[in-house]
This record gives sequence, C-alpha cells and structure tokens, in this order.
Amino acid sequence: SQQGEEDPQALSIQEGENATMNCSYKTSINNLQWYRQNSGRGLVHLILIRSNEREKHSGRLRVTLDTSKKSSSLLITASRAADTASYFCATKQQGGSEKLVFGKGTKLTVNP
Amino acid sequence: DVKVTQSSRYLVKRTGEKVFLECVQDMDHENMFWYRQDPGLGLRLIYFSYDVKMKEKGDIPEGYSVSREKKERFSLILESASTNQTSMYLCASRRSKSTYEQYFGPGTRLTVT
Repeated sequence: SQQGEEDPQALSIQEGENATMNCSYKTSINNLQWYRQNSGRGLVHLILIRSNEREKHSGRLRVTLDTSKKSSSLLITASRAADTASYFCATKQQGGSEKLVFGKGTKLTVNP
Repeated sequence: DVKVTQSSRYLVKRTGEKVFLECVQDMDHENMFWYRQDPGLGLRLIYFSYDVKMKEKGDIPEGYSVSREKKERFSLILESASTNQTSMYLCASRRSKSTYEQYFGPGTRLTVT
C-alpha cells in the first residue's frame, strides 16, 4: 500500500511565486525524501530529512517534517518555469525493509 | 555523477513475447531496483537486489523475474508479456543499504499490444 500521499495532486502557479506541497504518511519512518520527475523522465533526488530533524534547506528548497502529525512539506521559493515537474515524497519505514515507498506525486506547473 | 542507463526509451511488444529490460549503473552501487509507474498508482516496486546474484521481491513481482549476474547490470524479464504490463519501467540504484538516495534511469515506456 502507498505510504506517502502528496497533496495537492496538481498545483499551478506563476513564476516567482512560492510552491508548497505536502506529504502525509501512515507509519513511523526512518527518513523521508523528496524527488522530482520531469515529464517522461526518471526521478531525481532533491533532499532527505531524517526523523530526528524538523527542517532542512537546500538552495530554494525547504523541507519540514512533523513526525507527530506524520507529515512533511516541500516549499520551493521564487519558482521558475524550469521547476515544472512532478514531485514525490518517499519514505523508509522504521525497522522495515530497506525499500522506499513512494507517494503518487504532486504535479507542479509554473507559468512564465 | 552517477549514471543509470536503460536499454530502450520506448519498446513495443506483442502479447506473449518474452521481454528483457536492461539497466546498467556505472558507480559500483550495491543495490538496484525495478519499479513500474502508472497514472494514479505512482511508483510500485517490482524487484530489488542488494548485491550480485541476490534478489528480493517487491510489492508486485507477479509476471516478472530479474537477473543480476554482474554488479553493474540488473535485468527485468517479462516471461510472457501481457497488455496489463504496459507501463513506464524505471530502474534505480543505491550505493548500499546504509545510504538512502536512489539514482534513477530515464525509464522505458513499454507498450504491449
């Protein structure tokens, strides 16, 4: 079953605006990752946040993790047309197998 | 940079054919994965391999098998292709069990007619 569920399913914004995507999960996790997928391509790793971290930054990306609510958010600041892609969260369950469980993704469109 | 390559970007096969999807990584990664991606279902893990000649079933292994004879190469085999195996297939690699980031190939869009 899917562990991570992203919302919204689709998001359309103007260039320069911030984009926020959310991910909820069901069981205790070891870490949570965010990936980006351009249309028809493979996924690219963006950022990883561990279960003992609350916030992490990488360039224009900011990720938060709230383990009490079992949720994470990905904020992209000052968005660009090149940020248009689908974004997935992926979780590694605590004590579980080594595999990642991916959500269904948020499709972000940044209009120039 | 890690590079993961897949043998074909697009593939069209007939029902009942045996299909081989090849994946090669060039960074000496121990772990490799095969996923399929379908609209509305996200990525689902088919098989993975921790090391050469090792394989583990993922969430949807039925109708598939894998082979890992060399560390850099992980093959996905559809023994008898069916139309419900029409999908995007993504291969990924990871340095080891103690790391988390997965590196993906560009994907193979398989159509079974």
